[in-house]
Amino acid sequence: QLQLQESGPGLVKPSETLTLTCTVSGGSISSRNQYWGWIRQPPGKGLEWIASINYEGDAYYNPSLKSRVAISADTSKNRISLNLNSVTAADTAVYYCARPKFTSATNWFFDVWGRGTLVTVSS
Amino acid sequence: DIVMTQSPDSLAVSLGERATINCKSSQSLLYSHNNKNYIAWYQKRPGQPPKLLIYWASTRDSGVPDRFSGSGSGTDFTLTISSLQTEDVGVYYCQHYYDSPPYTFGQGTKLEIK
Repeated sequence: QLQLQESGPGLVKPSETLTLTCTVSGGSISSRNQYWGWIRQPPGKGLEWIASINYEGDAYYNPSLKSRVAISADTSKNRISLNLNSVTAADTAVYYCARPKFTSATNWFFDVWGRGTLVTVSS
Repeated sequence: DIVMTQSPDSLAVSLGERATINCKSSQSLLYSHNNKNYIAWYQKRPGQPPKLLIYWASTRDSGVPDRFSGSGSGTDFTLTISSLQTEDVGVYYCQHYYDSPPYTFGQGTKLEIK
């Protein structure tokens, strides 16, 4: 059974860089058209897609965050990582990694999600 | 970017009654080549990740109870829960996956029991 597990620092200071990792078990990230995504939900707010990547490193970013975000894939460790720099309080959120239901270069909706990790940006 | 607007923002429905949530997209989500609408619906319960309910506007994901149904085409879509159960309380989101990213979500509709 495919499982996704997010991990991260929990607390990050303003202006610093947030690094999150999604470890995939029960399956491989190395499927050609399988794009793994990061989605976040600030407290009391809705869901926001951040970025997606396949194992070859083909990545897509939300334009609203593109200047601050980098997503990467590590096939040797079967995990996906997300870096978000210059964080502010507005980046406080639960961050989820997720897998689209179908392998496709685009047109993603997500049927497998991690449990999420809360990141708080505060000094 | 395509904007997804849900209505209402919240609603309260009695147990066993019908709940209806609407989602309107700023452009058509119907792809003429395959006649499919590129919209999905999720349920979000507190402390849990989103759960996929519906995709292609009306296809239930595996294991989703048949009291959940999706309808609509083009720019106007509806999620219906035919007989509300206690476990259906939560926030519901629509998401488009039409064309290229970003694939945006609606703002969410909070469903409570009256």
